[in-house]
Amino acid sequence: EAGVTQFPSHSVIEKGQTVTLRCDPISGHDNLYWYRRVMGKEIKFLLHFVKESKQDESGMPNNRFLAERTGGTYSTLKVQPAELEDSGVYFCASTQVGSGNTIYFGEGSWLTVV
Amino acid sequence: AQSVTQLGSHVSVSEGALVLLRCNYSSSVPPYLFWYVQYPNQGLQLLLKYTSAATLVKGINGFEAEFKKSETSFHLTKPSAHMSDAAEYFCAVTVYSSASKIIFGSGTRLSIRP
Repeated sequence: EAGVTQFPSHSVIEKGQTVTLRCDPISGHDNLYWYRRVMGKEIKFLLHFVKESKQDESGMPNNRFLAERTGGTYSTLKVQPAELEDSGVYFCASTQVGSGNTIYFGEGSWLTVV
Repeated sequence: AQSVTQLGSHVSVSEGALVLLRCNYSSSVPPYLFWYVQYPNQGLQLLLKYTSAATLVKGINGFEAEFKKSETSFHLTKPSAHMSDAAEYFCAVTVYSSASKIIFGSGTRLSIRP
């Protein structure tokens, strides 16, 4: 069974540009999460989807970040326009209720804004 | 609300020595607790999890952790460190019986001396 997959694995963009990160959760997982770790700091929660609905978006830093999950399958996280402080690694994770609350993480998308 | 505190941002041990990484949690309801590991330039990998069953939890790569409710602790141990254990370790908490977000500690970087 495929795990959580993220694309791109690495991205380098200039300040002011737009980047879209994609996450494909484990098949059948209704719950999808975005996290990020900026410059070696702690891993911060961004938001939580249940199917296509945003259950909790309290961690989204500002309106330059837009997350979608159309159809309740894969999700995208768009940063527009990107700023230097957005550099870091963006993790996607998924889980299904009843799985013992084990949250499975992807390999991360490493974003560098220059 | 839940939170975790990891004591020591950096721990260094000799190869073959005991590894002890400390984690204390705070939760108003019974928690699920996790340890994740991030090897350099890789994603987050689940080491082990506590889900209200046995208080001593065994994970991968010889690691184990003990849930102590009276001390609100979930320390990670390994009897004998190996060079390949060098990585960053994250303690995390979530609430049982739901798929709510997981809250991470700030991480502990483990170095192994030859």
